[in-house]
Amino acid sequence: GAVVSQHPSWVICKSGTSVKIECRSLDFQATTMFWYRQFPKQSLMLMATSNEGSKATYEQGVEKDKFLINHASLTLSTLTVTSAHPEDSSFYICSARSGTGGISEAFFGQGTRLTVV
Amino acid sequence: GNSVTQMEGPVTLSEEAFLTINCTYTATGYPSLFWYVQYPGEGLQLLLKATKADDKGSNKGFEATYRKETTSFHLEKGSVQVSDSAVYFCALIPSNDYKLSFGAGTTVTVRA
Repeated sequence: GAVVSQHPSWVICKSGTSVKIECRSLDFQATTMFWYRQFPKQSLMLMATSNEGSKATYEQGVEKDKFLINHASLTLSTLTVTSAHPEDSSFYICSARSGTGGISEAFFGQGTRLTVV
Repeated sequence: GNSVTQMEGPVTLSEEAFLTINCTYTATGYPSLFWYVQYPGEGLQLLLKATKADDKGSNKGFEATYRKETTSFHLEKGSVQVSDSAVYFCALIPSNDYKLSFGAGTTVTVRA
């Protein structure tokens, strides 16, 4: 299957700093990428959807100024957590779809464990 | 709206036992249905999928059949192994949308 690489796998940062997480589709062009947040022992919560070359669409309740998403190319999307605080500590997962028509499955990155201290 | 309900865990089994995880859904039209598996500390991997009624998805000994009449997509495996210990998510994509809706996840632990 297609490969989605997410980097870094884990990061620890100080409160007030910003952290950037990258999501790359390695062997296909991802017209649409999704960013999820997962709290311990809970399901995935969709944060936003990004299409290459356009602004991301955020889900209700997600602060767009805090979680900056950029989808500058067909193989790369980034999520920047700005002015991170301990409550932003979570597992962030991206997924990518090729969107070539019909039902295209989503391929997931391995996730990024963010800890804000 | 669209939603997925799956049985609550955790589920603990002995090796070679039979596993069933129930999943039912609510959606308009004919959604595509998926099972994803998440191993500890990792992202999600697609386990199997079905895109129309009566389709059976299968992979790694796991099976699930798309039942339109009962709006269900139950996951089964006849003989589990310790390596099957993971969190399993049922999910759907509606026919008129592109976003995945996930169930809450079921944690499965298989003991030797």
